[in-house]
Amino acid sequence: GENVEQHPSTLSVQEGDSAVIKCTYSDSASNYFPWYKQELGKRPQLIIDIRSNVGEKKDQRIAVTLNKTAKHFSLHITETQPEDSAVYFCAASTRGNTPLVFGKGTRLSVIA
Amino acid sequence: DTAVSQTPKYLVTQMGNDKSIKCEQNLGHDTMYWYKQDSKKFLKIMFSYNNKELIINETVPNRFSPKSPDKAHLNLHINSLELGDSAVYFCASSHGAGGGETQYFGPGTRLLVL
Repeated sequence: GENVEQHPSTLSVQEGDSAVIKCTYSDSASNYFPWYKQELGKRPQLIIDIRSNVGEKKDQRIAVTLNKTAKHFSLHITETQPEDSAVYFCAASTRGNTPLVFGKGTRLSVIA
Repeated sequence: DTAVSQTPKYLVTQMGNDKSIKCEQNLGHDTMYWYKQDSKKFLKIMFSYNNKELIINETVPNRFSPKSPDKAHLNLHINSLELGDSAVYFCASSHGAGGGETQYFGPGTRLLVL
């Protein structure tokens, strides 16, 4: 089955700097890669996703890149703000009734 | 107009008790899920139902029994609670059962077993 590795487990950046979180996956059939943000005590919420027919996707300060050959995808947050502090999860899945497999999360702290 | 709701929000109980958590979604989705998030924040799927039918059961002890009375509801009953069951349980839903579907999470139920 699918295995998703996520790095780093914790990340501290200064406000205004960029943050990058990387994930690798094992199943070459995976074709959907969402990123979820979970603030303290709250539910995970989708912030951006990418499908295997696209190499990069941007939404304001957030971007995700996908390298299918290397089987890795990354989340990029530019001009970080304190409200970006949260745990971020990557996930991967294939078509059919296969579940989303989540990475173990990255705790991002943005220091003002 | 809460999309995915869960009750209760908090649940504190003794070992050996039986408890239930309820989930409802008003998004018109066909598929619902239960996830367990442990103290290390690891999110692991437990069950998935599509149109009231079980489609995913991920090596969960049979003390856990999901039930879907209709496609808008997915409840989780846990028998003989153990200390290791302490976690946050999230319900989620998606439009369809396909792996490429966006999942929307409920607010979570924080279960503490003493």
